[in-house]
Amino acid sequence: EVQLVETGGGLIQPGGSLRLSCAASGFTVSSNYMSWVRQAPGKGLEWVSVIYSGGSTYYADSVKGRFTISRDNSKNTLYLQMNSLRAEDTAVYYCARGSYGTSWAFDIWGQGTMVTVSS
Amino acid sequence: QSALTQPASVSGSPGQSITISCTGTSSDVGGYNYVSWYQQHPGKAPKLMIYDVSNRPSGVSNRFSGSKSGNTASLTISGLQAEDEADYYCSSYTSSSTLVFGTGTKVTVL
Repeated sequence: EVQLVETGGGLIQPGGSLRLSCAASGFTVSSNYMSWVRQAPGKGLEWVSVIYSGGSTYYADSVKGRFTISRDNSKNTLYLQMNSLRAEDTAVYYCARGSYGTSWAFDIWGQGTMVTVSS
Repeated sequence: QSALTQPASVSGSPGQSITISCTGTSSDVGGYNYVSWYQQHPGKAPKLMIYDVSNRPSGVSNRFSGSKSGNTASLTISGLQAEDEADYYCSSYTSSSTLVFGTGTKVTVL
């Protein structure tokens, strides 16, 4: 079965760091472009970052310089390292698989992991 | 990058058709045919409904269709059903090599 499972969320103080993981099964992470998308409580979707199969990475301005997307091909897992966390980073974080060529369309999503930044 | 503009809510009766608009700029919606639409039920992950403006993934009902004119993309749901009640988001690739989502539209089936 093709699926994504995120882990690593939790409660963290402002200024702290957290690493999210997204374990894939049924397909190869490194063969697809993969993204992180977040959704603050009661709010809409916000794109966070993408990593292409070739390794290129891009970030939303709101997280640039603080978040780093990466992958471990041997573990077939995607990561999001989040540093200097702020209250406004509080959200459910989803990982998603890009599909249909370079359409920036995401056909497989994880169930999400909640990150709460609060003192 | 500002979010694409969608109406906050759209409603219709069962069997009717509704259309959700998604307005951007020439740097996103108007500049590329990389517009997608997602359906999200409460507490669930988004589901891809349309990609590349008007293409449906396998398994998505043909009651869902997409189009684009200039800087505005649209999602039409025909033969509205109770299970279509959900939030809908558009997204577009941008000239900055990023992705931008729409503000989201709550669809209510009356």
